Amino acid sequence: KQEVTQIPAALSVPEGENLVLNCSFTDSAIYNLQWFRQDPGKGLTSLLLIQSSQREQTSGRLNASLDKSSGRSTLYIAASQPGDSATYLCAVGPNRDDKIIFGKGTRLHILP
Amino acid sequence: SQTIHQWPATLVQPVGSPLSLECTVEGTSNPNLYWYRQAAGRGLQLLFYSVGIGQISSEVPQNLSASRPQDRQFILSSKKLLLSDSGFYLCAWSVLDTIYFGEGSWLTVV
Repeated sequence: KQEVTQIPAALSVPEGENLVLNCSFTDSAIYNLQWFRQDPGKGLTSLLLIQSSQREQTSGRLNASLDKSSGRSTLYIAASQPGDSATYLCAVGPNRDDKIIFGKGTRLHILP
Repeated sequence: SQTIHQWPATLVQPVGSPLSLECTVEGTSNPNLYWYRQAAGRGLQLLFYSVGIGQISSEVPQNLSASRPQDRQFILSSKKLLLSDSGFYLCAWSVLDTIYFGEGSWLTVV
């Protein structure tokens, strides 16, 4: 059974700092991994998708890496801004059983 | 282009009342469809997923059910709501690649 863990659960950092969010998964037989952002009371916004054959993806100040063999992904946010404050979720799958499993997320707060 | 519609956006229902949340997808064929729930302070929990018409897999035993009467329609239902059913419900679809989400439905059971 696939399990997805995100560390830390919450993070507060001053504006301008670079930061790393972590995601780990137990079953490496995944099709892709996706990072999402969720603002309070809102739906999910897709940030980055990494195919299983890829090692990283970049979009602006965001960089996501994937190491299937170790079951890990990181989301790197450069030069953080208050507008980056949100919950960040990683989703793994679909696996062989077509499921897409989410971590519980990291609540990020950027201090002005 | 592909779009996903989910409704209603918000609803307040009394305990014991029925529930029906509907989700439709446009611009794609034979998608995998998913229902997730996000309870207060918790992550996204997979409730049901479907790989085809009439094919429903349940992840969590509960008083909810799902149906897929058409290729691009996914319905979440309950005959009698419980207080613990309150939460944010998200419909999603995928076709081999990225997963796309609806805007979500806020359900408050009172």
